[in-house]
Amino acid sequence: DGGITQSPKYLFRKEGQNVTLSCEQNLNHDAMYWYRQDPGQGLRLIYYSQIVNDFQKGDIAEGYSVSREKKESFPLTVTSAQKNPTAFYLCASSMSRQSTDTQYFGPGTRLTVL
Amino acid sequence: GNSVTQMEGPVTLSEEAFLTINCTYTATGYPSLFWYVQYPGEGLQLLLKATKADDKGSNKGFEATYRKETTSFHLEKGSVQVSDSAVYFCALTRSSGSARQLTFGSGTQLTVLP
Repeated sequence: DGGITQSPKYLFRKEGQNVTLSCEQNLNHDAMYWYRQDPGQGLRLIYYSQIVNDFQKGDIAEGYSVSREKKESFPLTVTSAQKNPTAFYLCASSMSRQSTDTQYFGPGTRLTVL
Repeated sequence: GNSVTQMEGPVTLSEEAFLTINCTYTATGYPSLFWYVQYPGEGLQLLLKATKADDKGSNKGFEATYRKETTSFHLEKGSVQVSDSAVYFCALTRSSGSARQLTFGSGTQLTVLP
């Protein structure tokens, strides 16, 4: 089955610890994205990557970092510099950078910082 | 900049009722427009899209028409089912520029009662 995998589904961390969220896709898509969703709000873009070894900041990149060493993988690290990291994190991918391309979403990771 | 304004929820309907969720947008250029649906605890799924003015997107009984003159993309369904209970997001992408972003509305929670 083709799709986007995010793991784990639930993640708990202590304050001050860095944590890395996994995102893998086997759709052969060039572009990948990370969004953050807070209760009652829409999604906000953290980072995106249009090609391997390249990525761009989104609207709320502070306190986050990413890498894109392989086409199918786009991990997100939530650092201790992120002031309010508890949220639902969604990864997405699309075939290319064309604006008409549909973005396909993974099931999400719910991060809770204790 | 780009923005999407959605009808505030929550919306509660009885089964077989008519559904309208309003969505208006602000954008430069010619954006593509999308409706995504999110079931509890899951990621987003594309429901329908339209890429140019007067296009009608449709899927699973849902419809939305891209109205450039009123900058709107209202979601409609003639007869809702309990299984349609979810959060619905309107979104747009820009069609020009090097930065590719999906801008979301804040979401509308729909509950359908039997």
